[in-house]
Amino acid sequence: AQSVTQPDIHITVSEGASLELRCNYSYGATPYLFWYVQSPGQGLQLLLKYFSGDTLVQGIKGFEAEFKRSQSSFNLRKPSVHWSDAAEYFCAVGVDTGRRALTFGSGTRLQVQP
Amino acid sequence: EPEVTQTPSHQVTQMGQEVILRCVPISNHLYFYWYRQILGQKVEFLVSFYNNEISEKSEIFDDQFSVERPDGSNFTLKIRSTKLEDSAMYFCASTRLVPNEQFFGPGTRLTVL
Repeated sequence: AQSVTQPDIHITVSEGASLELRCNYSYGATPYLFWYVQSPGQGLQLLLKYFSGDTLVQGIKGFEAEFKRSQSSFNLRKPSVHWSDAAEYFCAVGVDTGRRALTFGSGTRLQVQP
Repeated sequence: EPEVTQTPSHQVTQMGQEVILRCVPISNHLYFYWYRQILGQKVEFLVSFYNNEISEKSEIFDDQFSVERPDGSNFTLKIRSTKLEDSAMYFCASTRLVPNEQFFGPGTRLTVL
């Protein structure tokens, strides 16, 4: 079964600083990878996804992520963080077999300091 | 832009009572899901639904849970006899094709007293 690890539970960055959130997955084949963001009291909004092709994917709100097969990673990055980026970020993996449900990581809570 | 909607936003119930959580998926979507998120924990898969039947379910989705698509637009999750540990945020999601991104609703916060 697939699994997702987000090693950082909580990250604090200063506004304007760069950001990288880590995500590692475990799955035998190439998974489908997603990053979702959840603001307090809100649902899950898709930031970006990777299915195949270019391993650097661009998403909304200036986020990007890079799929590295050799490291089983799909880290999320943003060059300059805004205060409105404070939220919880979830990495998720989907597969094309079985139930096709998403498996989520435990999330990284991002705090932005002024 | 079409979106998944869920009602109610917050439901408070007594232990042992039945609750029904409602979702309206995006209209041309074919695959429907329920997930839950216990406070402070990860989002967990409950059940997927396609072609008017359950495709897959997790270990969490026991006999106390059921899903239904009673008409062409609604998708419901019923918990027959709620337990304290059912307190969580319940998310509905839908997608047109698989594999593809799933579109999530805003969630229903269920509080069992």
